[in-house]
Amino acid sequence: AQSVSQHNHHVILSEAASLELGCNYSYGGTVNLFWYVQYPGQHLQLLLKYFSGDPLVKGIKGFEAEFIKSKFSFNLRKPSVQWSDTAEYFCAVTAGTALIFGKGTTLSVSS
Amino acid sequence: EAGVVQSPRYKIIEKKQPVAFWCNPISGHNTLYWYRQNLGQGPELLIRYENEEAVDDSQLPKDRFSAERLKGVDSTLKIQPAELGDSAVYLCASSLDPSGRVETQYFGPGTRLLVL
Repeated sequence: AQSVSQHNHHVILSEAASLELGCNYSYGGTVNLFWYVQYPGQHLQLLLKYFSGDPLVKGIKGFEAEFIKSKFSFNLRKPSVQWSDTAEYFCAVTAGTALIFGKGTTLSVSS
Repeated sequence: EAGVVQSPRYKIIEKKQPVAFWCNPISGHNTLYWYRQNLGQGPELLIRYENEEAVDDSQLPKDRFSAERLKGVDSTLKIQPAELGDSAVYLCASSLDPSGRVETQYFGPGTRLLVL
């Protein structure tokens, strides 16, 4: 069965620090990969997605993620975080049309 | 464009009582999903509809959970009777999914259920 691992449960950063959130999945076939974000009090929103092509994908608000097939990874990055990036981040993978989510990473950014 | 609408936003019930959640997907989206999100976990799929047809309900606990999407638009998820372990956030999502191709899923705000 497919699974998604997010190794960081809670990350605490100061503003302007760089961010990298890890995501690994287990599935040997073709996958589609997503990062969703949930800001406090809001619903899940798509941050970025990878379907095919350039393995480095750029999303909203300066986020990017790199698909490394050999490592089964899809890590999320941002060079300089802002206080407004405080949220919960979920990595998800599809094999078929069902979304399999990781447990999420809570990011707290202090000003 | 309106997003996915869910109601109610919060529900508190006693165990063994029935409860129902309603979802209105984004206009034109023919695929609808119900997820359950337990505290500290990511969402887990309960059921997926393509138009009126439930095409994946393998994770739906059918002894107490039921769902319907009669006209291929709105959907209702029901629990009867509710148990303490059903306390969670129930999320509805929709996507275009033409011909089964993978599309982005758009999520509603969820219904937070507390069973006492």
